Amino acid sequence: EVQLVESGGGLVRPGGSLRLSCAASGFTFSNYAMNWVRLAPGKGLEWLSYISSSSTTYYADSVKGRFTISRDNAKNSLYLQMNSLRADDTAVYYCARFLTWGGGVDYWGQGTLVTVSS
Amino acid sequence: DIQMTQSPSSLSASVGDRVTITCRASQGISNYLAWFQQKPGKAPKSLIYGASSLQSGVPSKFSGGGSGTDFTLTVSSLQPEDFATYYCQQYSTYPHTFGQGTKLEIK
Repeated sequence: EVQLVESGGGLVRPGGSLRLSCAASGFTFSNYAMNWVRLAPGKGLEWLSYISSSSTTYYADSVKGRFTISRDNAKNSLYLQMNSLRADDTAVYYCARFLTWGGGVDYWGQGTLVTVSS
Repeated sequence: DIQMTQSPSSLSASVGDRVTITCRASQGISNYLAWFQQKPGKAPKSLIYGASSLQSGVPSKFSGGGSGTDFTLTVSSLQPEDFATYYCQQYSTYPHTFGQGTKLEIK
C-alpha cells in the first residue's frame, strides 16, 4: 500500500526556517517524481514544487528562492526546506506522488500544518 | 503561467442530482488535466487524470471530458459523501496550476 507521511510542521516566527519531511513507503520511491502542494486557510490548493526521480526541480514563483525541494532515495524521503517564512506561508503542506507518464498526481500524504506567526 | 478558471465557484445540489463543473485553461494543455476532491480537514483525493481517465478505485459516477482549453467534471447520482470542494489542475507546463476550486454543497 502506498503511504506518504509528512512531518516537521509547527509554529515558526516570520523570517524563520522549517524543514518538512515526507516519508514514502509501499512503492519504489527512487523511480517516482514528487510534488509539494499547500492549502492555506480560506484559499485553494497551490502547487509549490516538483522533483523528478533524477532530482530535476521546479518551483512556483511564490516560493522560488525561499524554498528548496530535495530527496534522499536511500531513506525513501522527500524534503522541503523553507526559509524566510512569511505569514502568508501559513498552510497545510502536502506531499504527493506524480506520475510522469501523464498520470498526474495519484497519491497524497495527510498533510502537516505550518503556522507562521509572531 | 497557465491560468485555470473553474465555474461555478460554488454549487448547491440535492442528493441524487447530476452536476457538471467546468474548468478552462488560459492556453491549450492537450489532455494534461486532473481533477481532485477535497473534504474539510482531509487530504485531497485524486479522481481523474488525462482529462478523462479514472484513478484506480474511483467510482464510475465521476467522469471527465474535454481537451485543449475546456474541460468538465460530471458527478452523477450525488450522495452525501460527494459534497466537497473539487479542483482541476493542469500539468502540461510548470507551474502546475490549480483552479480556484468549486464547493459543492447540499441544497
